[in-house]
Amino acid sequence: GQSLEQPSEVTAVEGAIVQINCTYQTSGFYGLSWYQQHDGGAPTFLSYNALDGLEETGRFSSFLSRSDSYGYLLLQELQMKDSASYFCAVRDLGYNFNKFYFGSGTKLNVKP
Amino acid sequence: DADVTQTPRNRITKTGKRIMLECSQTKGHDRMYWYRQDPGLGLRLIYYSFDVKDINKGEISDGYSVSRQAQAKFSLSLESAIPNQTALYFCATSDFGGDYIDTQYFGPGTRLTVL
Repeated sequence: GQSLEQPSEVTAVEGAIVQINCTYQTSGFYGLSWYQQHDGGAPTFLSYNALDGLEETGRFSSFLSRSDSYGYLLLQELQMKDSASYFCAVRDLGYNFNKFYFGSGTKLNVKP
Repeated sequence: DADVTQTPRNRITKTGKRIMLECSQTKGHDRMYWYRQDPGLGLRLIYYSFDVKDINKGEISDGYSVSRQAQAKFSLSLESAIPNQTALYFCATSDFGGDYIDTQYFGPGTRLTVL
């Protein structure tokens, strides 16, 4: 099975940089994904790392290190609209390759 | 129009009742999923389907059943609802896209309350 751990809550100020970590214990996975969910809304896809290293998409970047069983989402130039919950997720490798596992989510509070 | 739709959006029911939540998609994806979300527990997989002939249990399938009526439709049923099934339910689809990017597309969710 898969187990992904994230901090439950993070607070930062507008304009700052924040890093949301995801540590995992897995038997193998294809890649690490990140999703954003605003209160009352549906999760939406943000970023994906198939390989180790940094992937950049505008203000958001995501990093994966398989050797350290660790990844993170980096949000730069924080805006109030970035206040949301963020989830890391993996897709299983092998027989259950259609199965996704999500972390418990990190609630990001952006303050003025 | 939304690519993934869920009906109803909100439902209040009583213990013991049978409930069906429906999901439709226009994305043409083969894979469909049902998740449950509880505060502080993230998204937990209930059932998933690779195609109309393929149904698989997820982490928390007890008390639930599903039907894949067509490629575009995937329904979740609670045979006899109980209060601890009160949660937000999401349907999602996915496709194995180019560049090996796995992306899940979520519906708007159904908020179910069991009294």
